[in-house]
Amino acid sequence: GAGVSQSPSNKVTEKGKDVELRCDPISGHTALYWYRQSLGQGLEFLIYFQGNSAPDKSGLPSDRFSAERTGGSVSTLTIQRTQQEDSAVYLCASSLGVMGGYQETQYFGPGTRLLVL
Amino acid sequence: KNEVEQSPQNLTAQEGEFITINCSYSVGISALHWLQQHPGGGIVSLFMLSSGKKKHGRLIATINIQEKHSSLHITASHPRDSAVYICAVCQDGATNKLIFGTGTLLAVQP
Repeated sequence: GAGVSQSPSNKVTEKGKDVELRCDPISGHTALYWYRQSLGQGLEFLIYFQGNSAPDKSGLPSDRFSAERTGGSVSTLTIQRTQQEDSAVYLCASSLGVMGGYQETQYFGPGTRLLVL
Repeated sequence: KNEVEQSPQNLTAQEGEFITINCSYSVGISALHWLQQHPGGGIVSLFMLSSGKKKHGRLIATINIQEKHSSLHITASHPRDSAVYICAVCQDGATNKLIFGTGTLLAVQP
């Protein structure tokens, strides 16, 4: 079956512009996660969705970042007024969501490489 | 000090060697994940464990909850094992965050 897909695969934008990154999780997975991997740095948690529960937004670095998940499936991560330090690979992952999310195997998408000029 | 520490940061091995990557953490956890990231960025989950030992092919992961330590072993290493190996922990309690180590870059030479 299809894995986690993300689009676009690459995005170049100018400082100050807004960008939207999309994630399509594996069908049937109720848990969805966004992570960021900046150049030369480790993975960083951004936000976690589990079913219809309120998302855990505690990893979002500023109020310029927001995410939504429509219909319990597709998720969009939006970065407003992008800054150069937002340049990173943004990774999405999903899991079944049965065992409380993080106690399950996560399946990662290929990521979106964002470059803010 | 990072809550999740990996060692070594870089590792070069000859094909066929037995490899060990270590992960130590300083928080209470409910689960620990080992991830593999190949050049180009794709991440694959290798193991998720909360106790004992798991084996998949040439890969073995162990965890000692009391000592807050996990190891990833690769037997009969091969150049295709070259990748970054990342340890991540799910912290006990109400949070849903994974806390990641900075990764171990493994290069297996033929």
